[in-house]
Amino acid sequence: AQTVTQSQPEMSVQEAETVTLSCTYDTSESDYYLFWYKQPPSRQMILVIRQEAYKQQNATENRFSVNFQKAAKSFSLKISDSQLGDAAMYFCAYRSENYGGSQGNLIFGKGTKLSVKP
Amino acid sequence: DTGVSQNPRHKITKRGQNVTFRCDPISEHNRLYWYRQTLGQGPEFLTYFQNEAQLEKSRLLSDRFSAERPKGSFSTLEIQRTEQGDSAMYLCASSLGQSPYNEQFFGPGTRLTVL
Repeated sequence: AQTVTQSQPEMSVQEAETVTLSCTYDTSESDYYLFWYKQPPSRQMILVIRQEAYKQQNATENRFSVNFQKAAKSFSLKISDSQLGDAAMYFCAYRSENYGGSQGNLIFGKGTKLSVKP
Repeated sequence: DTGVSQNPRHKITKRGQNVTFRCDPISEHNRLYWYRQTLGQGPEFLTYFQNEAQLEKSRLLSDRFSAERPKGSFSTLEIQRTEQGDSAMYLCASSLGQSPYNEQFFGPGTRLTVL
């Protein structure tokens, strides 16, 4: 079974600075997808960024980028130029590419609470 | 707005009562997922539908839980004989198509408190 681990329950960053959130996962599959979701307080979860395991190039979405290390099974999220609106819970998630079995449900880590100081 | 909606947003019930939650996915999304999120944890998968067919159920979904999506549009999640351990946020998500790459869009959730 696949597992996702986020070892940082809480992180803090100064506004305009850069912060990196860690995520490791365990799987025996070779093809899969990885995601970072953001859950602001009392608001719904939204997708921040996603990465296909077969792609060596790290995904980037504006101020958000990932460092995907497939051999190490590591998938960290870097937030540059942090803004007050970035304050939220961040969840790392895994999704199998297996079309025959568990088709499409996400496996989440426990999350990292990010605080942004003005 | 055509996002995923869930009702009610909050539900307080007494142990032993039955509760039902509703999820309205984004129009034309054929996939619908239910997750449960307890305090300090990430969401955990419960079940999912492709159109009206329930294709998978997690072992977390005990026989007190039942989900339906009768016409392939909205879905309901019913919990019978609620227990205090059922207290959690119940999240619904929808997506278009079968590809695991497709984004799941989440609703705001229904927070259940069992007294």
